[in-house]
Amino acid sequence: DQQVKQNSPSLSVQEGRISILNCDYTNSMFDYFLWYKKYPAEGPTFLISISSIKDKNEDGRFTVFLNKSAKHLSLHIVPSQPGDSAVYFCAASGVQGAQKLVFGQGTRLTINP
Amino acid sequence: EPEVTQTPSHQVTQMGQEVILRCVPISNHLYFYWYRQILGQKVEFLVSFYNNEISEKSEIFDDQFSVERPDGSNFTLKIRSTKLEDSAMYFCASDRVAQPQHFGDGTRLSIL
Repeated sequence: DQQVKQNSPSLSVQEGRISILNCDYTNSMFDYFLWYKKYPAEGPTFLISISSIKDKNEDGRFTVFLNKSAKHLSLHIVPSQPGDSAVYFCAASGVQGAQKLVFGQGTRLTINP
Repeated sequence: EPEVTQTPSHQVTQMGQEVILRCVPISNHLYFYWYRQILGQKVEFLVSFYNNEISEKSEIFDDQFSVERPDGSNFTLKIRSTKLEDSAMYFCASDRVAQPQHFGDGTRLSIL
């Protein structure tokens, strides 16, 4: 059951450049999408989210884009910094808060100095 | 910033033994969750809990699993008779309506 898919297991980006992480979903009932960042030996940390009524949400260096017709979202990090090296998970739910999350497999982002 | 705390960080248990994983959710959150991540796989939902009862559970959450909120702060996951395949990272999370879920740092459960 792969309702949320992150097809790139890893991504390597030069420091200062843009990192683009992608996520696809199949369940049209999903209404709320989140990105989490995870360091080794820590839990997922919330980064940014977007509701299905929007197509873009921005928070500092992080921007999430949602294309509902393509059932695709992406996370842009500009500029990328060494501290951004982590595993990034895309997650989806039916509503904002108070409901289970369905996660993608994660993408390991490495920022090279 | 308030956070979700989980204990222990690592639990080693013999197969067939009972294990209890503990979590203290963020104090003003009303919804509580357990997820697990088997090594190399995705984070999977186990169970959600609201108003002192299970609101949703996955196929993984069979009769061997139970959850409890024994007091005003703790939220526990019990596995009655552990199996080798229960070895995983177990994450507790909590949230409120219109807010994102916050996760603890997890308990690594190793079944021998």
